[in-house]
Amino acid sequence: ETGVTQTPRHLVMGMTNKKSLKCEQHLGHNAMYWYKQSAKKPLELMFVYSLEERVENNSVPSRFSPECPNSSHLFLHLHTLQPEDSALYLCASSQEPSGSGDTQYFGPGTRLTVL
Amino acid sequence: RKEVEQDPGPFNVPEGATVAFNCTYSNSASQSFFWYRQDCRKEPKLLMSVYSSGNEDGRFTAQLNRASQYISLLIRDSKLSDSATYLCVVNAGGTSYGKLTFGQGTILTVHP
Repeated sequence: ETGVTQTPRHLVMGMTNKKSLKCEQHLGHNAMYWYKQSAKKPLELMFVYSLEERVENNSVPSRFSPECPNSSHLFLHLHTLQPEDSALYLCASSQEPSGSGDTQYFGPGTRLTVL
Repeated sequence: RKEVEQDPGPFNVPEGATVAFNCTYSNSASQSFFWYRQDCRKEPKLLMSVYSSGNEDGRFTAQLNRASQYISLLIRDSKLSDSATYLCVVNAGGTSYGKLTFGQGTILTVHP
């Protein structure tokens, strides 16, 4: 296994709900990422955290709010989502967030359905 | 133009066949290149990095042509277990903070 876990694995929520996705990495990495994978579209980077500091916000709507309390945990808080936000949300981690191309290890993802 | 563009596929090949995937990228400043593999309903996993000199890992050979901004993956002697989606991935480097740009993926099905 990759050493990156995500919970829940499946989530169904209404547009008015508030929910959170959790990611935990057991690899001692310093960088963590959130990606969105929609059907028939490439993976899209949402957020990058380096040593608990957000270093990249890829023009993500404010209804998605990330939180990184420490280098091992990453959350994605969801509020007032739209049906088009239904997708697979993948967390990843890497040793460093540099441009050197460190391998990113992905969690199994949370499959989100917004009704 | 898409930042990373791949053959759409799907590729359906018999066991033992040789199959090649192509990928082009638009950012000439890109510094790192990868092929990831994603099985159905699973997360992407690194298959191999791609170097300018070309590199080989068993039945898999990756090539990079910086002048043409082109990356390829060759799979020899295909196995049933090679069936998956193959993702071409590019890292812009510099201050892009590990930002990986993914292609849409090419679906490969290897049949008996």
